[in-house]
Amino acid sequence: EAGVAQSPRYKIIEKRQSVAFWCNPISGHATLYWYQQILGQGPKLLIQFQNNGVVDDSQLPKDRFSAERLKGVDSTLKIQPAKLEDSAVYLCASSLSDKNTEAFFGQGTRLTVV
Amino acid sequence: GDSVTQMEGPVTLSEEAFLTINCTYTATGYPSLFWYVQYPGEGLQLLLKATKADDKGSNKGFEATYRKETTSFHLEKGSVQVSDSAVYFCALTGNQFYFGTGTSLTVIP
Repeated sequence: EAGVAQSPRYKIIEKRQSVAFWCNPISGHATLYWYQQILGQGPKLLIQFQNNGVVDDSQLPKDRFSAERLKGVDSTLKIQPAKLEDSAVYLCASSLSDKNTEAFFGQGTRLTVV
Repeated sequence: GDSVTQMEGPVTLSEEAFLTINCTYTATGYPSLFWYVQYPGEGLQLLLKATKADDKGSNKGFEATYRKETTSFHLEKGSVQVSDSAVYFCALTGNQFYFGTGTSLTVIP
């Protein structure tokens, strides 16, 4: 079965610019997660979707970050405007449901803000 | 709220040494517990999991037992190899995934 697909793999932007990341989860997976992983740290949950509804976005900096999951499949995460501290790997993951099931991760998008 | 605490690294071992990476958790309800591994330049991969108390997850020679009485899920391997060099993350899930901060392991020949 195909895994979680993310694009782009790498992105370099200047501060105050905007950027968008795309994720295609494993077919049939209802739950989709976006994580931010800063170098040397564990993944931090930004937002969790169940189908096309938001389950948890308590740690999403909503003044600059936004995410959507139209039709309950693909998802995009946007940052506008970017700050230097947004430099990180952005990981997308999906799971069959939100209850005690393992998550499958994509390769991630490495963002560098200069 | 739910959380995971794992031992800080980095950990450096010689090949064939015994490995233990400690992980303890705080959770309401009955979470599932996981160990994920991240090899250099790659994404997170599931290493093993346990879904209820006293379950033992195992894969590639690694083992971890879900201990409800001590709220722990320590990762062990009897004889590490150079190819085991990676960052290991303990995680739990109830309604969402919580990850530990990761433990970097380097195995030297």
